[in-house]
Amino acid sequence: DADVTQTPRNRITKTGKRIMLECSQTKGHDRMYWYRQDPGLGLRLIYYSFDVKDINKGEISDGYSVSRQAQAKFSLSLESAIPNQTALYFCATGLAESDTQYFGPGTRLTVL
Amino acid sequence: KQEVTQIPAALSVPEGENLVLNCSFTDSAIYNLQWFRQDPGKGLTSLLLIQSSQREQTSGRLNASLDKSSGRSTLYIAASQPGDSATYLCAVSGSARQLTFGSGTQLTVLP
Repeated sequence: DADVTQTPRNRITKTGKRIMLECSQTKGHDRMYWYRQDPGLGLRLIYYSFDVKDINKGEISDGYSVSRQAQAKFSLSLESAIPNQTALYFCATGLAESDTQYFGPGTRLTVL
Repeated sequence: KQEVTQIPAALSVPEGENLVLNCSFTDSAIYNLQWFRQDPGKGLTSLLLIQSSQREQTSGRLNASLDKSSGRSTLYIAASQPGDSATYLCAVSGSARQLTFGSGTQLTVLP
């Protein structure tokens, strides 16, 4: 089984819909991250969480919200999806004592 | 604001060739630099992590160097193979231990 899983893997939705992307990990890591990747661009950080009670905005948090339901689960929500949120979304985990991050397989989201 | 640039954006080489991928960053106040590999339909895999106090790291056919003062890193791949075909991403970690990524170099190794 994969250590970091993301659901769904692909999603097509319409403008104005509320969407939730889920991430689960079995690595026992405290830190979890959400990134988006656009064609020709690197990954950009949306939100990150250092533990269940510590959630922080990243570079591009506008239009997104997150929930850390447990150490192993970190969800990303788009309250009202818009077409420019069409992107590949990655979840990652990490340990406080190490800067290495472990990435999930990604969710491809298309907003029509 | 930290900016990370990777050149070239795409590279195609014949199998067996040695190659170098380049990464530059604008703010030298980094904790570390990482190189990742990204395969289509899969997540990123960490290849090498160089702490700010280090000059290089090696893993198998891969060697990454870091010149923090000039804001540059290189990833050297020896004896390239078709299985090395992927996108290679460079990322730097700043004061908040957040990663800033470059846009990647798409490598194709031709058999």
